[in-house]
Amino acid sequence: DMKVTQMPRYLIKRMGENVLLECGQDMSHETMYWYRQDPGLGLQLIYISYDVDSNSEGDIPKGYRVSRKKREHFSLILDSAKTNQTSVYFCASSYSNERLFFGHGTKLSVL
Amino acid sequence: TQTVSQSDAHVTVFEGDSVELRCNYSYGGSIYLSWYIQHHGRGLQFLLKYYSGNPVVQGVNGFEAEFSKSDSSFHLRKASVHWSDSAVYFCAASPNNYAQGLTFGLGTRVSVFP
Repeated sequence: DMKVTQMPRYLIKRMGENVLLECGQDMSHETMYWYRQDPGLGLQLIYISYDVDSNSEGDIPKGYRVSRKKREHFSLILDSAKTNQTSVYFCASSYSNERLFFGHGTKLSVL
Repeated sequence: TQTVSQSDAHVTVFEGDSVELRCNYSYGGSIYLSWYIQHHGRGLQFLLKYYSGNPVVQGVNGFEAEFSKSDSSFHLRKASVHWSDSAVYFCAASPNNYAQGLTFGLGTRVSVFP
């Protein structure tokens, strides 16, 4: 069905809490991405995953880690969330770098 | 490191008008260029891409873009906009080596009035 699904859509957490953002895709794409989107900063790449257990830091990996144990799932983890991690997080997948399929995003608020 | 610049933060047009959204990039090697659209509260959706060949590429919903190596540009155009084209448009670039992901511009918000 060519879909990238992100859960949850909205999330409110307190500073210091752990956060788990989930992403799934049904296209068997090898490569998956996590981006965050902030006003005035556009989309910034956090992590790339090339396949199961093959992950690489993007431009702003500090404060984040990822997990990919199945090709169709890619998780973003914030251990001890900070207020400056309030953002909209987008997961994407691609067969090659020519075209990315994006999820609807998760709006995270860290209070 | 490549950079992508979109010079217009906000563009206002009327239905039926044409629109051109500017994108300039800086990168020394082979490069993939693409445009994405983001409607309010949604994820980004692919419009079109260019890597080589005909510098004018056609995308979905009547959009086209023209690559210029001399100007380091990849401008997006539509001849006649519809109210549903109101969205934020992102230009993106990636090197031939896909391991680095896409670098996005800051986006241009297009508001289409009836």
